[in-house]
Amino acid sequence: AQTVTQSQPEMSVQEAETVTLSCTYDTSESNYYLFWYKQPPSRQMILVIRQEAYKQQNATENRFSVNFQKAAKSFSLKISDSQLGDTAMYFCAFMRGQAGTALIFGKGTTLSVSS
Amino acid sequence: KAGVTQTPRYLIKTRGQQVTLSCSPISGHRSVSWYQQTPGQGLQFLFEYFSETQRNKGNFPGRFSGRQFSNSRSEMNVSTLELGDSALYLCASSTHRDQETQYFGPGTRLLVL
Repeated sequence: AQTVTQSQPEMSVQEAETVTLSCTYDTSESNYYLFWYKQPPSRQMILVIRQEAYKQQNATENRFSVNFQKAAKSFSLKISDSQLGDTAMYFCAFMRGQAGTALIFGKGTTLSVSS
Repeated sequence: KAGVTQTPRYLIKTRGQQVTLSCSPISGHRSVSWYQQTPGQGLQFLFEYFSETQRNKGNFPGRFSGRQFSNSRSEMNVSTLELGDSALYLCASSTHRDQETQYFGPGTRLLVL
């Protein structure tokens, strides 16, 4: 069975600073996808970034980038130039590369950005 | 393009009742998945539907059921509600081509008294 672990329950950062959220996963699959979602106080789950396991290049989306270490089964999220609107719960998620499979989520990291 | 919509947004029920939640996927998306989010258990997968067929099911009792219509809209039903069913129920949709990326709706908050 696949598992996703987020070891940082809470983190805080000041505006304009950079923060890195950690995520490790365990799987024996070779074809899979990894995601970061954010869930602000509104509870709407928003896709931040996704990474295909077969791609060596780390995914980036504007201020958000990942450090994907496949051998170490590590998938961290770096947020640059943090903004107040980045305050949210961040979830790391794993999905096998097969139609109809479920997202497996970590417990989440609560990120607070202050001015 | 409109996002995933869920109705109702909030519900209060009493133990023993049943409830039906609705989800309309993004236009063109044919896969719909349901998740339950609670403070204790986190996010857990309920089931996934594609072309009106359940393709995958999580580890939930038979009181939890779902279906999908020909227009890809989906409903989930919980019968004989228990206090522990209080949760945020999230629906997510994905395309057939890009099936691995799921886009979520705003959720339905269910409170069971």
